[in-house]
Amino acid sequence: EAGVAQSPRYKIIEKRQSVAFWCNPISGHATLYWYQQILGQGPKLLIQFQNNGVVDDSQLPKDRFSAERLKGVDSTLKIQPAKLEDSAVYLCASSLGRGTYYGYTFGSGTRLTVV
Amino acid sequence: DAKTTQPNSMESNEEEPVHLPCNHSTISGTDYIHWYRQLPSQGPEYVIHGLTSNVNNRMASLAIAEDRKSSTLILHRATLRDAAVYYCILRDSSYKLIFGSGTRLLVRP
Repeated sequence: EAGVAQSPRYKIIEKRQSVAFWCNPISGHATLYWYQQILGQGPKLLIQFQNNGVVDDSQLPKDRFSAERLKGVDSTLKIQPAKLEDSAVYLCASSLGRGTYYGYTFGSGTRLTVV
Repeated sequence: DAKTTQPNSMESNEEEPVHLPCNHSTISGTDYIHWYRQLPSQGPEYVIHGLTSNVNNRMASLAIAEDRKSSTLILHRATLRDAAVYYCILRDSSYKLIFGSGTRLLVRP
């Protein structure tokens, strides 16, 4: 089974620029998540999709972050404009469903450096 | 969100068993206990989960206290590849996976 694919692997941008990350979940996985992981901390949930609808975006800084999941498959996360504190690894994960029984499969992440 | 408490770090010798503790005194009756681990430069990976009974799989064993206020992840023979950050997570009715700081496991050759 192919894993969760993310691109790019690394990205360096200047502050106030915009950036987008792409995620392709495991085929058939209805639920998709974006996490932000700052160095030395555990991942922080940003947004959760069920198919192509948003279930929870309470932790997403909506003034600069946006995310979409077209046709319930691939997803993109965008930051515009970026700040220095956005430097982090952005992880995408997917699962078959939302229930507590289902485990998550994570991608390797995109490491963003804002200078 | 239900909270867990884990030691910041632990050390083990290669090929010896490792017991990683987790306290979750505020757990509710329907919360599942999940364990994930994160190897260097990778995303977290699922290890094991349970509700009340002890659980075994090919990666590890999960021992859950009778009152469910604590649990222990057991790696039966640690290898160098098991060096990672291990996260103990309670999944409640919100279904969200909320990570804490985890335990960094160092494995000595």
